[in-house]
Amino acid sequence: AQKVTQAQTEISVVEKEDVTLDCVYETRDTTYYLFWYKQPPSGELVFLIRRNSFDEQNEISGRYSWNFQKSTSSFNFTITASQVVDSAVYFCALSGRNTGGFKTIFGAGTRLFVKA
Amino acid sequence: DVKVTQSSRYLVKRTGEKVFLECVQDMDHENMFWYRQDPGLGLRLIYFSYDVKMKEKGDIPEGYSVSREKKERFSLILESASTNQTSMYLCASIQDRVRGGLFFGEGSRLTVL
Repeated sequence: AQKVTQAQTEISVVEKEDVTLDCVYETRDTTYYLFWYKQPPSGELVFLIRRNSFDEQNEISGRYSWNFQKSTSSFNFTITASQVVDSAVYFCALSGRNTGGFKTIFGAGTRLFVKA
Repeated sequence: DVKVTQSSRYLVKRTGEKVFLECVQDMDHENMFWYRQDPGLGLRLIYFSYDVKMKEKGDIPEGYSVSREKKERFSLILESASTNQTSMYLCASIQDRVRGGLFFGEGSRLTVL
């Protein structure tokens, strides 16, 4: 089965705390892509990052970092020194040949509240 | 600035009405998608299109149809709206559907009374 699981429904942190959003996936594909999207209160989903299955190198972009581990089928997202503007719903997603010809399937999302 | 534009942010309709949700993208993308978003369920794919006049069913197509007469425009149609179609509807587009990285519109929140 092709599936993305985000076990954390909601997380609440205080500004400047670090926070990690978990994502676990299932796939039969050997070639696949993983993504993170951010949906702020305005509603528009914004693409944050793409990772292909052959590239397990971790990535850092400013306060954001992503940890991809094929051995545990996880693609976790860490925000360092969180800010109020990070408050949003974050979606992890997967695409591959067995998602139906590289359609993107999404996890249920994790709502992050960052309090001032 | 590249953009996916959905015609209505908020709609209120009555059961049995026909509803049109319009989506236009200005990036000359081949691929367009309609998702619905419900709490706890994430985004679920309703229909998608890889080319003009071409459409394919997604995971939850029942009660919906689509139209793609022009490359930039992808319309979602609810032939006879029902209360269980109350939801947020999101349109997305992309040129390379293998590598992914969807561009989304702002969403249309539909309430069916």
